[in-house]
Amino acid sequence: DTGVSQDPRHKITKRGQNVTFRCDPISEHNRLYWYRQTLGQGPEFLTYFQNEAQLEKSRLLSDRFSAERPKGSFSTLEIQRTEQGDSAMYLCASSLQGAVEQFFGPGTRLTVL
Amino acid sequence: GENVEQHPSTLSVQEGDSAVIKCTYSDSASNYFPWYKQELGKRPQLIIDIRSNVGEKKDQRIAVTLNKTAKHFSLHITETQPEDSAVYFCAAFYTGGFKTIFGAGTRLFVKA
Repeated sequence: DTGVSQDPRHKITKRGQNVTFRCDPISEHNRLYWYRQTLGQGPEFLTYFQNEAQLEKSRLLSDRFSAERPKGSFSTLEIQRTEQGDSAMYLCASSLQGAVEQFFGPGTRLTVL
Repeated sequence: GENVEQHPSTLSVQEGDSAVIKCTYSDSASNYFPWYKQELGKRPQLIIDIRSNVGEKKDQRIAVTLNKTAKHFSLHITETQPEDSAVYFCAAFYTGGFKTIFGAGTRLFVKA
């Protein structure tokens, strides 16, 4: 499968624990996006990378959230001190430089108990 | 802030009928409007998109119209089939920026 991949697909954690998710974009895509999707809602933009540079971060994003893309390939999203309100599907998408179509990964479903 | 409103939230049609989903955006700088289909438990997939310099685009049974003045855009599905049943999301994007704003989604049921 040469599409966007995400790992893990499911994560159950206890409140207060830290979690980290990984996204592998399509290999030649230098743009990478993270979104959060809750039940019955559309994806909510979290952050954007162009190569290794994080160029935009949602104002709604808590300081407990951090994302990296150290070598401009895969990206990680970390949530520290998880809260029950963090329970959601975390989606990653990628696109080519100069293109607008975003290709989504299968998502990581986070459940915070 | 930027916002995209989508209506209706749920739409039920008989197989063969048409379905129309409408969206309104707030950021006048938006110039790219994709539509995504998301089946249960699957990733969103792009089904059609339109840029701000075009008023209408069609791809087989799917068409999208854009009214930039009113900041409205709509998805039209003709001759609906049961496999069209899914959640559909509209979105607005400014190609000079990085943020895509999605609507809340429309759950489409096509009854056989």
